[in-house]
Amino acid sequence: QGQLVESGGGVVQPGGSLRLSCAASGFPFSGYTMYWVRQTPGKGLGWVALISNDGTVKSYSDSVTGRFTISRDNSKNTLYLQMNSLTTDDTAVYYCVRPYTAAPGAFHIWGQGTMVTVSS
Amino acid sequence: EIVLTQSPGTLSVSPGERATLSCRASQSLGSGNLAWYQQRPGQAPRLLIYGASSRATGIPDRFSGSGSGTDFTLTISRLDPGDFAVYYCQQYGTSLTFGGGTKVEMK
Repeated sequence: QGQLVESGGGVVQPGGSLRLSCAASGFPFSGYTMYWVRQTPGKGLGWVALISNDGTVKSYSDSVTGRFTISRDNSKNTLYLQMNSLTTDDTAVYYCVRPYTAAPGAFHIWGQGTMVTVSS
Repeated sequence: EIVLTQSPGTLSVSPGERATLSCRASQSLGSGNLAWYQQRPGQAPRLLIYGASSRATGIPDRFSGSGSGTDFTLTISRLDPGDFAVYYCQQYGTSLTFGGGTKVEMK
């Protein structure tokens, strides 16, 4: 049913940048809208960004608009999240997620998550 | 933004017993664009229910979802040891939001 593997997390100072990657396998990646979702102990789970299957439509949560950029390379079956101007509020586990075929807003396939820590 | 409120915050249940979890939306979700997830410690969430009452692929029938409008319920009919976890509801009718979670712990 598919697998997602994130990478690129780490520790970064406030104001810094980080690029997350998510390698997809086992399903037709180019056929799915893809999402980034993050989880913090304090604020719980939250949607970050989505990108349509062909990359033409992108949408962001209010908290990251203007700072984060989602992109994809269907030839490499890879999803990306470029994170700029990071703040301590961005500290979270970031998940790459594929929706359920029968319910495009429900999240079916999750990666293992990559931890991003913003700290001086 | 639609706010989802889950209750109780923690539910203490014995193995083999029934657990009933609640999720209330601040606005009507209409046809029920609501999902439920299970998250075990150190793992990513797992989709259990979508469309308020449909089980995702491979989910045992011990898990059932119900509800409409603003009030939704996840019922676990007989708790297995692996069911002790945190459960989240999520709406995908208007943007995407998650509830704060209910922890199901062993009594």
